[in-house]
Amino acid sequence: SQELEQSPQSLIVQEGKNLTINCTSSKTLYGLYWYKQKYGEGLIFLMMLQKGGEEKSHEKITAKLDEKKQQSSLHITASQPSHAGIYLCGAALMEYGNKLVFGAGTILRVKS
Amino acid sequence: ETGVTQTPRHLVMGMTNKKSLKCEQHLGHNAMYWYKQSAKKPLELMFVYNFKEQTENNSVPSRFSPECPNSSHLFLHLHTLQPEDSALYLCASSQGRQSRYEQYFGPGTRLTVT
Repeated sequence: SQELEQSPQSLIVQEGKNLTINCTSSKTLYGLYWYKQKYGEGLIFLMMLQKGGEEKSHEKITAKLDEKKQQSSLHITASQPSHAGIYLCGAALMEYGNKLVFGAGTILRVKS
Repeated sequence: ETGVTQTPRHLVMGMTNKKSLKCEQHLGHNAMYWYKQSAKKPLELMFVYNFKEQTENNSVPSRFSPECPNSSHLFLHLHTLQPEDSALYLCASSQGRQSRYEQYFGPGTRLTVT
């Protein structure tokens, strides 16, 4: 079993539509990272959330951290083809000290 | 662009070969990491170095041997690998070892073991 579950596993949206990706931890977390990856390439850092209720935005991407639910959501508004890729969440979990664990990723395709 | 470079980008090697992966960061960071990304599996942390000292070895088989000569360079020496070792190997760096510092990743080396 994985400490971080991402949902959905994959997603196809029409260009211009909004979408949400979720990341849920089975253990207490004290930091949550969102990364984007193009297939076969490195990860690009998007945002880091550290406090419960924290919300950050970058261009059309917004991420929130719900500490009580041990969950984070990534919301993309008015999706564009450039948003396509794999979105990964990574978390610092109390149990593992400073080590980051990652979810399996959500594959996003945006249809023009 | 990310400040972390990896070479080679692609590598095909036989099970009896010896090869090395190289990672270099130009960000002035003190911590460096090796990760393995296999198909349909989460990213797995392999090794962590902080100020050139190895601080974590995540039960990685001895056929993978890391080396960190200084805070800017990290190597992964490979020998007698197995086909199941085929994966994308990613290097990352961060300002410090603590999880509050975001990690910056290189583009990865796609390794195929035949």
